[in-house]
Amino acid sequence: QKEVEQNSGPLSVPEGAIASLNCTYSDRGSQSFFWYRQYSGKSPELIMSIYSNGDKEDGRFTAQLNKASQYVSLLIRDSQPSDSATYLCAPSNAGNNRKLIWGLGTSLAVNP
Amino acid sequence: NAGVTQTPKFQVLKTGQSMTLQCAQDMNHNSMYWYRQDPGMGLRLIYYSASEGTTDKGEVPNGYNVSRLNKREFSLRLESAAPSQTSVYFCASSWAVVNYGYTFGSGTRLTVV
Repeated sequence: QKEVEQNSGPLSVPEGAIASLNCTYSDRGSQSFFWYRQYSGKSPELIMSIYSNGDKEDGRFTAQLNKASQYVSLLIRDSQPSDSATYLCAPSNAGNNRKLIWGLGTSLAVNP
Repeated sequence: NAGVTQTPKFQVLKTGQSMTLQCAQDMNHNSMYWYRQDPGMGLRLIYYSASEGTTDKGEVPNGYNVSRLNKREFSLRLESAAPSQTSVYFCASSWAVVNYGYTFGSGTRLTVV
């Protein structure tokens, strides 16, 4: 079992729709969870962080965390073509809180 | 505010050559990291430095060495480059990962022929 699992995609949504990106993780002790966006040929950029069960909203982005189910998701409302990128899920490492554990990412394509 | 600066941005090496990738951050972060990213493999940690004066191996340290020169700078050295080290290399830094995650540099695209 991979430590962090994400559907590789591509996930294709029409402009204006809601994009839903999912992530499951195996380390029950993970305390913090991060979503990074990576455009093709660019470096990862932090877009959301979440630490407690429930929802956290920031503009068009909502992160959802369920530690009991070891599940974290990212919703993007009113998707724009500029949201087309790979989204990386990264829980913190319970055994070493100075490190993140990385998923392989989900590729999102928003079609005009 | 430059954040994390990596040099060079692109490099082509011949097999057996050596080189050093440079990384500097101006955010007063304690921890610094070197990752490589390959298609289908995701981000893999090469080495990290939890604080000035310490370095530790990550998942894929073979063929690499690092130096934490001071709090700002963390370099990655390839002593004898191999084609398997063709990759995109990212440096990252963090003040406190659990709370803030990482900030990444723009990356170095390295090709070993």
